[in-house]
Amino acid sequence: DQQVKQNSPSLSVQEGRISILNCDYTNSMFDYFLWYKKYPAEGPTFLISISSIKDKNEDGRFTVFLNKSAKHLSLHIVPSQPGDSAVYFCAAQHYGGSQGNLIFGKGTKLSVKP
Amino acid sequence: SQTIHQWPATLVQPVGSPLSLECTVEGTSNPNLYWYRQAAGRGLQLLFYSVGIGQISSEVPQNLSASRPQDRQFILSSKKLLLSDSGFYLCAWTSSGSRAFFGQGTRLTVV
Repeated sequence: DQQVKQNSPSLSVQEGRISILNCDYTNSMFDYFLWYKKYPAEGPTFLISISSIKDKNEDGRFTVFLNKSAKHLSLHIVPSQPGDSAVYFCAAQHYGGSQGNLIFGKGTKLSVKP
Repeated sequence: SQTIHQWPATLVQPVGSPLSLECTVEGTSNPNLYWYRQAAGRGLQLLFYSVGIGQISSEVPQNLSASRPQDRQFILSSKKLLLSDSGFYLCAWTSSGSRAFFGQGTRLTVV
C-alpha cells in the first residue's frame, strides 16, 4: 500500500516555463511534507518543506502548495532551468508520531530542455 | 555541523555472500536513522528506521536486517545476498525540528 504517490514518472518542460510536480498521500496523520531533488548516484538533497498548518511555502524559484482536504501537494518551479533536471521525490512524515518514519514517493524525473 | 558518512560507495558481491553497510552520523544526538533502497523504477523504498539504540522497525520483509549498536551508528546487513538485493542504498537521519539528511549512497551490485 503506497502512502505517498507520485503518479507521473517523468515530466518534460521547456526552459523558462513552469514545472509542476504533483504528489498525493493517503495517510491523514501525515503533517509534514518535503521535496527532495536527486541526481544519479548521489543522495537526495532537501529542497523545500511545508507543515500541515500552512497551505503554501515559497523559497526562491520553488513553491510548495498543500491541499489537505484533497491530500495533495505540488511543487512549482518558476522559471525552470536546465540545471533543475533531476528526479524529484515527495516525502511525508507524521512529525508528532512516535515512530518517526519518513515515507517517499517513487519520484518524478524532470527534464528541462534549453 | 552535522555530517553523515556512508560506506562503501560501491560494492560488487556474489550471490549468497554476506553484506554489511555502515552509516555514522556526527554532530547530533539521538537522531532518527533510516535505510532506504532505490532500485530501478522503484523510487526510494524505506527499509528500516530507528528512533533509538537497539530500536529497529522494518518496513519491508526481506533477507536484510539492520542494527543500531550505538546512538549514531546504523548498520545494514544480510547473511546471504540475492540478485534482487542489487540497488542504491541510502542512509539518512532526522532529528526533532529538522529535515532528513542523506548520505552519498552505496551502489550494490549482486552478481
